[in-house]
Amino acid sequence: AQRVTQPEKLLSVFKGAPVELKCNYSYSGSPELFWYVQYSRQRLQLLLRHISRESIKGFTADLNKGETSFHLKKPFAQEEDSAMYYCALRITGGFKTIFGAGTRLFVKA
Amino acid sequence: GAGVSQSPSNKVTEKGKDVELRCDPISGHTALYWYRQSLGQGLEFLIYFQGNSAPDKSGLPSDRFSAERTGGSVSTLTIQRTQQEDSAVYLCASSRSGGRTDTQYFGPGTRLTVL
Repeated sequence: AQRVTQPEKLLSVFKGAPVELKCNYSYSGSPELFWYVQYSRQRLQLLLRHISRESIKGFTADLNKGETSFHLKKPFAQEEDSAMYYCALRITGGFKTIFGAGTRLFVKA
Repeated sequence: GAGVSQSPSNKVTEKGKDVELRCDPISGHTALYWYRQSLGQGLEFLIYFQGNSAPDKSGLPSDRFSAERTGGSVSTLTIQRTQQEDSAVYLCASSRSGGRTDTQYFGPGTRLTVL
């Protein structure tokens, strides 16, 4: 069965420290992976997708098929990065997007 | 332009009542999705529309849940005989075409509380 696991419910780091939000997936096909973010009192929005190989707001994520992971990383966390982050998997040939339970990132001053 | 809108923003109902939740997607978006977010849980996929048809209803948790979309635009999610476990935030999203790499744009959600 397809599954997305985000093992950390809460991650707290100091401003300027590196941050890594973990995401592991279970899927036998070719995955399409996304990170979504929800800032306080705002809507859920797309942060980045693996196919674009982009860096958004200093965040990057690399798909590791061997480890079935898509961890989100940023070298220097900022206070404004504090938010809820969701990893998501879109399956091949379907329309379903499977979300992880989310990780709340708290960046301390 | 306007984003995805949902109404009502909050709904409190009594167990056993029926509720209707409405979603207005971004104009021109053919794909529409409904999700449920229960406390402490991730988003749970409920149903997907392409135009007015729903090729994927696999996420609807029971036959008390139904959804329709008319005119390729507004969608209504109906929950009949609500139960306390239906309490959650119901999110709607739309995307341009429903392609795998499409960006989904989310609405603000409807918080449903079943007493």
